[in-house]
Amino acid sequence: GESVGLHLPTLSVQEGDNSIINCAYSNSASDYFIWYKQESGKGPQFIIDIRSNMDKRQGQRVTVLLNKTVKHLSLQIAATQPGDSAVYFCAENAGSNYKLTFGKGTLLTVNP
Amino acid sequence: GAVVSQHPSRVICKSGTSVKIECRSLDFQATTMFWYRQFPKQSLMLMATSNEGSKATYEQGVEKDKFLINHASLTLSTLTVTSAHPEDSSFYICSAILGSGNTIYFGEGSWLTVV
Repeated sequence: GESVGLHLPTLSVQEGDNSIINCAYSNSASDYFIWYKQESGKGPQFIIDIRSNMDKRQGQRVTVLLNKTVKHLSLQIAATQPGDSAVYFCAENAGSNYKLTFGKGTLLTVNP
Repeated sequence: GAVVSQHPSRVICKSGTSVKIECRSLDFQATTMFWYRQFPKQSLMLMATSNEGSKATYEQGVEKDKFLINHASLTLSTLTVTSAHPEDSSFYICSAILGSGNTIYFGEGSWLTVV
């Protein structure tokens, strides 16, 4: 079946650098995408979302880019901090039922 | 602060017993909540959609008689793992849709260990 996947399972960056986490999706019907941060032993924390009628959305230190042509989603974190270390998941939804399909996750490690 | 609360955060139960996990929406009504399961170092897997006032909708492969879901009120959904076995040990997470922006928020999760 169709699913959401990630290119990089792990990413290690230096503090202050920018981080880019990528996600590929295969369901062309998906129209809502969310990035979540999950720290060890905790539930997913909403970071930013984007709908399919947009290709870019910015938040505080984070930017999500959506390329529907190649079915690719990315999360950019500016000036990455040690507190950003966590597993990042992209999730997708097709239609209005809000049932999310999660990608495998990327472990981001920020080195001080 | 948290907008979705789960209780308990950690629970240990004996094999063969049942355990209930609560999911509450704080300061908002949630007619729909979702239950996910996450095994260590894996992604979240949707188990079921909890609907206030009607039966839950289960995903393929999820046993409805084993994972009982009750959406008792507009702010509370419960997941009961019946006749628990060690392989049911997992991180159970609920989510709810908040407000007109339809943002999906997750609870802090509940660790279940079956011994």
